[in-house]
Amino acid sequence: GENVEQHPSTLSVQEGDSAVIKCTYSDSASNYFPWYKQELGKGPQLIIDIRSNVGEKKDQRIAVTLNKTAKHFSLHITETQPEDSAVYFCAASRGGSQGNLIFGKGTKLSVKP
Amino acid sequence: GAVVSQHPSRVICKSGTSVKIECRSLDFQATTMFWYRQFPKQSLMLMATSNEGSKATYEQGVEKDKFLINHASLTLSTLTVTSAHPEDSSFYICSAQSGDRHTEAFFGQGTRLTVV
Repeated sequence: GENVEQHPSTLSVQEGDSAVIKCTYSDSASNYFPWYKQELGKGPQLIIDIRSNVGEKKDQRIAVTLNKTAKHFSLHITETQPEDSAVYFCAASRGGSQGNLIFGKGTKLSVKP
Repeated sequence: GAVVSQHPSRVICKSGTSVKIECRSLDFQATTMFWYRQFPKQSLMLMATSNEGSKATYEQGVEKDKFLINHASLTLSTLTVTSAHPEDSSFYICSAQSGDRHTEAFFGQGTRLTVV
């Protein structure tokens, strides 16, 4: 069945360094790739997304890249801050439905001051 | 922005009882709502998809008679966990989508269910 692999499962960086999280997906029909930040006990919060007709998107310190041929997409956070510490999930749409998402297993990011 | 509210945020119930979780879209009409379950330190897994006025579509392995979903209006969907057992303890999260399948779905803040 459809699957999204996410790496690494944990990531620890020093404040100010960059963090990169990578995902691969299996469903060739996926065309929407959001990234979520989840803090303890809360619902996921959308931080950035990318559609299949775009290769890269940036929003201040956050960027996402997509390689449709290789079925890879990555999240890049630059100049990390302690408040960036959280669990990050990548997701891929099941087919063309942006609401029906397959999630990766998550990456726990710790930013040390 | 689009706001999705879940109620309650946390609930404790006794084994064998039923509990209802509400998901409301506060400032838009949700033609489709999705219900996810998240076990501790794990990912979100889609349980079912519901369209207003229609029966929900359940994912493989999810018991439709145990997890009753009602989407009677464009702003409210409910998930009822019937005859709850301790293994049903989990974080339940809904998302709501307006318009067609090509629009973004917005997530609620989740409901922590503990069955004792």
